[in-house]
Amino acid sequence: AQTVTQSQPEMSVQEAETVTLSCTYDTSENNYYLFWYKQPPSRQMILVIRQEAYKQQNATENRFSVNFQKAAKSFSLKISDSQLGDTAMYFCAFIRQYGNKLVFGAGTILRVKS
Amino acid sequence: KAGVTQTPRYLIKTRGQQVTLSCSPISGHRSVSWYQQTPGQGLQFLFEYFSETQRNKGNFPGRFSGRQFSNSRSEMNVSTLELGDSALYLCASSLAEQGREQFFGPGTRLTVL
Repeated sequence: AQTVTQSQPEMSVQEAETVTLSCTYDTSENNYYLFWYKQPPSRQMILVIRQEAYKQQNATENRFSVNFQKAAKSFSLKISDSQLGDTAMYFCAFIRQYGNKLVFGAGTILRVKS
Repeated sequence: KAGVTQTPRYLIKTRGQQVTLSCSPISGHRSVSWYQQTPGQGLQFLFEYFSETQRNKGNFPGRFSGRQFSNSRSEMNVSTLELGDSALYLCASSLAEQGREQFFGPGTRLTVL
């Protein structure tokens, strides 16, 4: 069974600074997808970024980028130029290549301070 | 394009009752998945439907059931409610048949008294 581990329960960062959230996962499969989702206080789950395991290039979406290390089974999220609106719970998630069951980590609460 | 919608947004029930939650996916999406979110257990997969067929089921008791209609709308039902069923129930839809990003609705907050 796949597992996803987020070792940082809470983090804080000053506005405009950069922060990195960690995620490791365990799987025996070679092809899969990894995601970061954001859940602000409204509880709406928002997709931040996606990475296909067969792609070596790290995904980037504006201020959000990932560091995907397949051999180490590590998938960290870097947020540059942090904004107050980035304050949320961030979930790392795994999905098999053939399947629609997301496996989530426990989440990291990120607080952006002004 | 409208996002995933869930109704109702909030629900209060008492132990022993049953409840039905509804989810309308993004237009064109045929896969609908349900998740339960609680402070203690985090986000857990309940089940997934694709083209009116349940394809995957999580480790939940039989009191939790669901179905999908021909227009891809989905419902989940919880019978004989227990206090521990209090949670945020999230529905997600996906365009691709499998293994791709899912888009979530706003959730239904169920409180069991």
